[in-house]
Amino acid sequence: GAGVSQSPRYKVTKRGQDVALRCDPISGHVSLYWYRQALGQGPEFLTYFNYEAQQDKSGLPNDRFSAERPEGSISTLTIQRTEQRDSAMYRCASSPAGLNTEAFFGQGTRLTVV
Amino acid sequence: SQQGEEDPQALSIQEGENATMNCSYKTSINNLQWYRQNSGRGLVHLILIRSNEREKHSGRLRVTLDTSKKSSSLLITASRAADTASYFCATDPRYGNKLVFGAGTILRVKS
Repeated sequence: GAGVSQSPRYKVTKRGQDVALRCDPISGHVSLYWYRQALGQGPEFLTYFNYEAQQDKSGLPNDRFSAERPEGSISTLTIQRTEQRDSAMYRCASSPAGLNTEAFFGQGTRLTVV
Repeated sequence: SQQGEEDPQALSIQEGENATMNCSYKTSINNLQWYRQNSGRGLVHLILIRSNEREKHSGRLRVTLDTSKKSSSLLITASRAADTASYFCATDPRYGNKLVFGAGTILRVKS
């Protein structure tokens, strides 16, 4: 596709359920990032991939959060045993190679945990 | 934690006026980027300035970078109603592989 695609756009889930958020980066982009954005705040870094390797996961809040990018393209962010505090906009971004160029962001997935 | 801090938090101006937003950061950087976010929509990259650059222009945008003061400014000239959005600075720290965003400046341009 022409841009970074995220699905679903909206997800409402019950507390305690697991959710999987998908990111399809721009074709050929090496680097992929996951961010979380609370209302009125800037995006908060979660994790970063270079090809299929997860280079930095220091932003993942706890061990309920995990991410993978098995073939170096599509990535999945999984949240297990969701809690209300997990409610936020989850954004994915990709860039051609590292951060010396701009990052292209997807429209995000709005997660609501009820 | 967020490294960039934007100032002011909110700015309201008349169409045609210039808007200036400032960003301060804490650690050495490779580059600094500015992004715009319209209400409820995605983040759009505006401009990137490298640590060895002092000023950069793109259309009505002018960005400056002062690495000695660890600060940057974004100037939007001849503002339009369509410029109404949140503006974020993001730094690429020298030791790290992530963009670190500030909390943003909300700009409102009144027509």
